Amino acid sequence: AQKVTQAQTEISVVEKEDVTLDCVYETRDTTYYLFWYKQPPSGELVFLIRRNSFDEQNEISGRYSWNFQKSTSSFNFTITASQVVDSAVYFCALSADTGRRALTFGSGTRLQVQP
Amino acid sequence: DAGITQSPRHKVTETGTPVTLRCHQTENHRYMYWYRQDPGHGLRLIHYSYGVKDTDKGEVSDGYSVSRSKTEDFLLTLESATSSQTSVYFCAIAQSYEQYFGPGTRLTVT
Repeated sequence: AQKVTQAQTEISVVEKEDVTLDCVYETRDTTYYLFWYKQPPSGELVFLIRRNSFDEQNEISGRYSWNFQKSTSSFNFTITASQVVDSAVYFCALSADTGRRALTFGSGTRLQVQP
Repeated sequence: DAGITQSPRHKVTETGTPVTLRCHQTENHRYMYWYRQDPGHGLRLIHYSYGVKDTDKGEVSDGYSVSRSKTEDFLLTLESATSSQTSVYFCAIAQSYEQYFGPGTRLTVT
């Protein structure tokens, strides 16, 4: 069975602060994929990143960065210099069933960035 | 943009009535999925399809059925809607191992 835990239900920061969203996963598979999605107030789900289990290199995309650590089964997401437009619910997800390719989602973290 | 549309976008229905939600894609993807989103649960897989007429159950499939008679359309049916099926329903396609989602359908069962 697979499981994704996002222990932070809600986070509130002031604009320009850095914020890290935590994600811990469980799987017995040796090959798996990790994802982050953003759900803004408008409701759509926006794909942010995919990471393969065999590639632990961290990734940076503009103000976004991701830290993948297999030793702690974590895939954390950091937003640097947060902006009001970053306010959204962020979901971490795992795909370890290469047949179905279905996603197991965490319960999400609601990020509120105050001006 | 993965070319995914869902219809209807909003629906209010009464307990016990049948409801069908439609997912349409324009890019010939083989894998399609239906998820539901509820507070505190993230998204959970209802059913998925790996080809025309090839479907299988997800974790929360009770009370739901699906059909896929054409590559581009994946239908989700609630045979007899219940209040516990009030939710937001998302359709998705898989492009390699990445999934892209439709805009969602908000269903309210009264």
